[in-house]
Amino acid sequence: TQLLEQSPQFLSIQEGENLTVYCNSSSVFSSLQWYRQEPGEGPVLLVTVVTGGEVKKLKRLTFQFGDARKDSSLHITAAQPGDTGLYLCAGTGNTGKLIFGQGTTLQVKP
Amino acid sequence: DTAVSQTPKYLVTQMGNDKSIKCEQNLGHDTMYWYKQDSKKFLKIMFSYNNKELIINETVPNRFSPKSPDKAHLNLHINSLELGDSAVYFCASSQSMSGGTETQYFGPGTRLLVL
Repeated sequence: TQLLEQSPQFLSIQEGENLTVYCNSSSVFSSLQWYRQEPGEGPVLLVTVVTGGEVKKLKRLTFQFGDARKDSSLHITAAQPGDTGLYLCAGTGNTGKLIFGQGTTLQVKP
Repeated sequence: DTAVSQTPKYLVTQMGNDKSIKCEQNLGHDTMYWYKQDSKKFLKIMFSYNNKELIINETVPNRFSPKSPDKAHLNLHINSLELGDSAVYFCASSQSMSGGTETQYFGPGTRLLVL
């Protein structure tokens, strides 16, 4: 069974701080996605990474896919209260379905 | 315009009842999904349909029966509801099922509480 483990599960920081969320597995994934979910809403896709070692930037967010395609990280620079939410990584398993990590709840305090 | 819509948003019901959740997408997508998100926020796929055909059927109790009358709609019927069915159910859609690089668009969720 392919699993994705996210860490940390909870993160509470002050506005302006930097943070990194990790998504790890012992399995290889053909691609990996990061979603953000706000309370009362469904997840929204932030990025898809498909190549080992790939780095993608989305404003203050930097996403990296591990060389071996078993792990990924999300780094946020100078976090803002609007970044508050649940961050989910999801990998495409060998059956073609999306497998989600358990999520990281981020709270950014003003 | 809402891309993926679900009804109802909230559903409170007694154990043993039968209930349905409806989902519609106006994106012209071929593939639709049902996910369950538990109280710890863990999101897990239940079913997926491609062009009205069942593609993924996870180890979900057969009290759960999806139905896709056309490719814009995917409904979920649940028989004999149990306490453990309490969760948030999300519908999603994507253009196709091509290898996981597709963007999945999620609905707002249906919060089911079984008493």
